[in-house]
Amino acid sequence: QSALTQPASVSGSPGQSITISCTGTSSDVGGYNYVSWYQQHPGKAPKLMIYDVSKRPSGVSNRFSGSKSGNTASLTISGLQAEDEADYYCSSYTSSSTGVFGGGTKLTVL
Amino acid sequence: QVQLVESGGGVVQPGGSLRLSCAASGFTFSSYGMHWVRQAPGKGLEWVAFIRYDGSNKYYADSVKGRFTISRDNSKNTLYLQMNSLRAEDTAVYYCAKDLKVQDYVPRYMDVWGKGTTVTVSS
Repeated sequence: QSALTQPASVSGSPGQSITISCTGTSSDVGGYNYVSWYQQHPGKAPKLMIYDVSKRPSGVSNRFSGSKSGNTASLTISGLQAEDEADYYCSSYTSSSTGVFGGGTKLTVL
Repeated sequence: QVQLVESGGGVVQPGGSLRLSCAASGFTFSSYGMHWVRQAPGKGLEWVAFIRYDGSNKYYADSVKGRFTISRDNSKNTLYLQMNSLRAEDTAVYYCAKDLKVQDYVPRYMDVWGKGTTVTVSS
């Protein structure tokens, strides 16, 4: 159950687009279309942003999108806004019938 | 509204035990699987355990298997986490979370989270 690999930090200016990668193995990200993404602001509980690789829960802005290729999933945020500044975590179901998170990526809006 | 409220956190010595509770309201608790997720100070999220909607199956992270037990009482709309043989590395904020999909059979997505309860393991 090794954590999925995410970049420690990414940054972008308002209005720009950024992409956060999430690399796993064929036993998790690559083996199932059960990837999700969570947003966490400091001192707050996480919020589900993407599930089933690319689906958005009701109420989540369409500026957030997800995709997957092989063992790597990606979260793209378009039209960056100041409120998007937060930590982002990917997650996947695994072949051991467990869940696993990535190490997290801190997004800074310049 | 849909709400999860954790309780039971505190300071415990290494080797000790603690039982966390999570009171659910605003949804049909007995129809959804439930998760525990933790976050050590300044660290990332770690998935801990999942229990199916009917309690028939339970799944654990390797780091807690054999020490922690997840359970639920659907008549009381409450989720539990019994933590035994606690270690310093178990120090974290513990969140309970509702699974996204009705009667899902494996741990996948968490769409509603509590505010968390803090567990500190220290002598």
